[in-house]
Amino acid sequence: GDSVTQMEGPVTLSEEAFLTINCTYTATGYPSLFWYVQYPGEGLQLLLKATKADDKGSNKGFEATYRKETTSFHLEKGSVQVSDSAVYFCALPNAGGTSYGKLTFGQGTILTVHP
Amino acid sequence: DTGVSQDPRHKITKRGQNVTFRCDPISEHNRLYWYRQTLGQGPEFLTYFQNEAQLEKSRLLSDRFSAERPKGSFSTLEIQRTEQGDSAMYLCASSFRGVGGYDEQYFGPGTRLTVT
Repeated sequence: GDSVTQMEGPVTLSEEAFLTINCTYTATGYPSLFWYVQYPGEGLQLLLKATKADDKGSNKGFEATYRKETTSFHLEKGSVQVSDSAVYFCALPNAGGTSYGKLTFGQGTILTVHP
Repeated sequence: DTGVSQDPRHKITKRGQNVTFRCDPISEHNRLYWYRQTLGQGPEFLTYFQNEAQLEKSRLLSDRFSAERPKGSFSTLEIQRTEQGDSAMYLCASSFRGVGGYDEQYFGPGTRLTVT
């Protein structure tokens, strides 16, 4: 079945540091890929998405490129801020049948950014 | 529209008691999903509805769990005879399933269940 593997966390960075959170996946076909973010006390929010190979999703300074050859979708940001402190989840939707749209999530990576 | 809402936000119950959670999706969203999230893990799919029809249930959903979505609007998730292993955050999400493309899921804030 579908699965998502994220890098082990937590990740602690100083403000303005470069961020990478690794994500690899196993799936049938070529699904869309997503990054969700969960800020303290809030619900999950879609951060960015890519719908086909080589697509780059971007939002709020974050970027991720859908790499079919390495089955990866790593999240990057060039300069993190304290306000980026949150839990980040890589996810992919089931691509067909009655389970269409059901999301499979990675285990999440806790990011803490210090001033 | 104020987004997906869930009630209650927190629930503490004793083992063996029954609990019921409610989810109000974004109006006009025809799909509604339930997920469960335990500490340090990503959300895991439990079940989902398209309108009032429950289309899939995960193997995680034992016979003690039941979900309904009467009239295709709000949904309830009931857990009977709660066990300590049921302690988790229960998340609800809704989306509009149209023709083609991917329907983005909007998540509620979750209901945190603690079974003592």
